[in-house]
Amino acid sequence: GAGVSQSPSNKVTEKGKDVELRCDPISGHTALYWYRQSLGQGLEFLIYFQGNSAPDKSGLPSDRFSAERTGGSVSTLTIQRTQQEDSAVYLCASSPTSGRAAEQFFGPGTRLTVL
Amino acid sequence: QKEVEQDPGPLSVPEGAIVSLNCTYSNSAFQYFMWYRQYSRKGPELLMYTYSSGNKEDGRFTAQVDKSSKYISLFIRDSQPSDSATYLCAMKPGGTSYGKLTFGQGTILTVHP
Repeated sequence: GAGVSQSPSNKVTEKGKDVELRCDPISGHTALYWYRQSLGQGLEFLIYFQGNSAPDKSGLPSDRFSAERTGGSVSTLTIQRTQQEDSAVYLCASSPTSGRAAEQFFGPGTRLTVL
Repeated sequence: QKEVEQDPGPLSVPEGAIVSLNCTYSNSAFQYFMWYRQYSRKGPELLMYTYSSGNKEDGRFTAQVDKSSKYISLFIRDSQPSDSATYLCAMKPGGTSYGKLTFGQGTILTVHP
């Protein structure tokens, strides 16, 4: 079946603009995760959804970052008033229900560049 | 100090060599251990997944977990140029299968013909 998809694949924006990143998880996967990968920091957790709820938002770096998930499927990560340090690859992952719930399957990522 | 430490390499080996990749960790609550492979400009791909201690083998890949030493390894036998990628270890605490993964920095591996 289809894997995790993310759009856009690349996004270039100017400092101070808002951006929205989209994630379509694998069909039927109840858990959805957002991570950020940058050269200096490696792969860092941002937020986790179970259904439409977010039990763990501890990785969001500031209140400029927010995320939502609707219908237990698609998720959007929004970054307001982007800064240059927000430049990174934003990765989405999903995992199935119990049994293999620890196995997270990643999408190709959105490469964000803030000028 | 990071919770998960991984030597970034780079590691360069000839085709056919046995490759050993390692991570150490400090959080004794970690119970789930994964290895991901990431090709350039692609998302991480899950290679191996181990719960608690022990060994797991899948084709040319063997994952080992030594919880007493807080040390995990991935061995690649008969390495191929197509194995050239960044290898990331990842871990999470027990208690629930869901939840965030904590990643190592990744090791860059090149297998040359």
